[in-house]
Amino acid sequence: NAGVTQTPKFRVLKTGQSMTLLCAQDMNHEYMYWYRQDPGMGLRLIHYSVGEGTTAKGEVPDGYNVSRLKKQNFLLGLESAAPSQTSVYFCASSYSSVYAKNIQYFGAGTRLSVL
Amino acid sequence: KNQVEQSPQSLIILEGKNCTLQCNYTVSPFSNLRWYKQDTGRGPVSLTIMTFSENTKSNGRYTATLDADTKQSSLHITASQLSDSASYICVVSDGSSNTGKLIFGQGTTLQVKP
Repeated sequence: NAGVTQTPKFRVLKTGQSMTLLCAQDMNHEYMYWYRQDPGMGLRLIHYSVGEGTTAKGEVPDGYNVSRLKKQNFLLGLESAAPSQTSVYFCASSYSSVYAKNIQYFGAGTRLSVL
Repeated sequence: KNQVEQSPQSLIILEGKNCTLQCNYTVSPFSNLRWYKQDTGRGPVSLTIMTFSENTKSNGRYTATLDADTKQSSLHITASQLSDSASYICVVSDGSSNTGKLIFGQGTTLQVKP
């Protein structure tokens, strides 16, 4: 079982470059999330989706865009990367809302450095 | 402001010993509380999920407790193993919306030494 797969695993960008992070899940989950994890801070929600074709802003959405064209995929885009976006990015999915006791499943993360 | 605070920040114990990690939260309204384990270089993995009506939840050698009145939770690890070395994250679901916003603590880094 693949679960949640993130690509790429590592990336180095120069300031101003753009890139897309891909998240794929094979569990037929409705909900998908993008988080960033920075040293000394808890995970922070960037954007999330409650189903195919839907997206919503999380806690720290500025500088990021997302798309959920297919149920199994959730893409995170950086249009013009900034050093402040250096972080580890995690994708997660859940069958339904975490308001209920639905388990979140996380990918292995993408380590991004912006120089 | 909704917050989740964990203590200690880091902990070193010897293999075979027990330990308890603490979590205090100010999230209101409350929906559920989760404990995750995050190995170095990996994504978090869910250990337990508890609602306000559940006082205790076990997962093998991991036992989580919840006191919804004092807004405190603990994670007890019994007979620690080297593989328990990881970061343990307390997460509270904000019940103010049906999407259930999750608020993450900063984590406690546990190192188990032989």
